Amino acid sequence: GQNIDQPTEMTATEGAIVQINCTYQTSGFNGLFWYQQHAGEAPTFLSYNVLDGLEEKGRFSSFLSRSKGYSYLLLKELQMKDSASYLCADTRRDSGYALNFGKGTSLLVTP
Amino acid sequence: DAGVTQSPTHLIKTRGQHVTLRCSPISGHKSVSWYQQVLGQGPQFIFQYYEKEERGRGNFPDRFSARQFPNYSSELNVNALLLGDSALYLCASSLWGANSEAFFGQGTRLTVV
Repeated sequence: GQNIDQPTEMTATEGAIVQINCTYQTSGFNGLFWYQQHAGEAPTFLSYNVLDGLEEKGRFSSFLSRSKGYSYLLLKELQMKDSASYLCADTRRDSGYALNFGKGTSLLVTP
Repeated sequence: DAGVTQSPTHLIKTRGQHVTLRCSPISGHKSVSWYQQVLGQGPQFIFQYYEKEERGRGNFPDRFSARQFPNYSSELNVNALLLGDSALYLCASSLWGANSEAFFGQGTRLTVV
C-alpha cells in the first residue's frame, strides 16, 4: 500500500495484551480501518476511526491520531484464535476512498 | 442473508489467456471494489464501482477492466494473462463505498501457468 507502514510479524502470549502500530501519510487522509485475516480466509472488519481518540469494541480497541499519522490496534486477553494477519488500511480523498492496505502484521499467539 | 459471493473459487489459466471473475454483493450494497492479494502481502486496490460508475482505479495495467451491472453485481476481466497475475482476487461490497465497512468475499484463487 501507499505509505502504510506496520510491523511484519509479532509474537505474544495467550492472555497478554499486544499493540500493533500503523503509520500513514497524513496528506489526503480520510479514515483508518483495521481488518483481521486468517490464513486462507477473507479479511473481516474490526474497526474504523475517522476522529482522534480511542474506539473500544470488546477485547479490541483502535486508536487514531490524525496529526501524527498514527494508529494502533490493541488486542487484550489474547486467545489462540487471534493468531492471524492484521491489516491496516487508510482511505484517501485522492483515490476515491478505496481501501489502501498495508502489508499486514502477522500475529502469532503462543500458549 | 447471503454475504458477498464470488465465482469461481479456484481457476487455472495459461499465459496469454483471458479470465472473467464474478462477484455478487450483499443485498442493498451499491458499491463493489476489487483487490488483488499476493501471498504474504496486503490486498492491492484494483477498481471501485458505485451505482454502476467507476469511482476509482488502482495502479494496474489496462489489461485489467471491470464493470458493474444494474443489479450491482460485478465482473473483473483480465486479458493477456501473465504469470505475475497469479493471486487471490477479492471482491468487497459496501453500502456506499466511502467510509463504510467493506465486506469481503472468499475470493477467487487464480493460478497462471
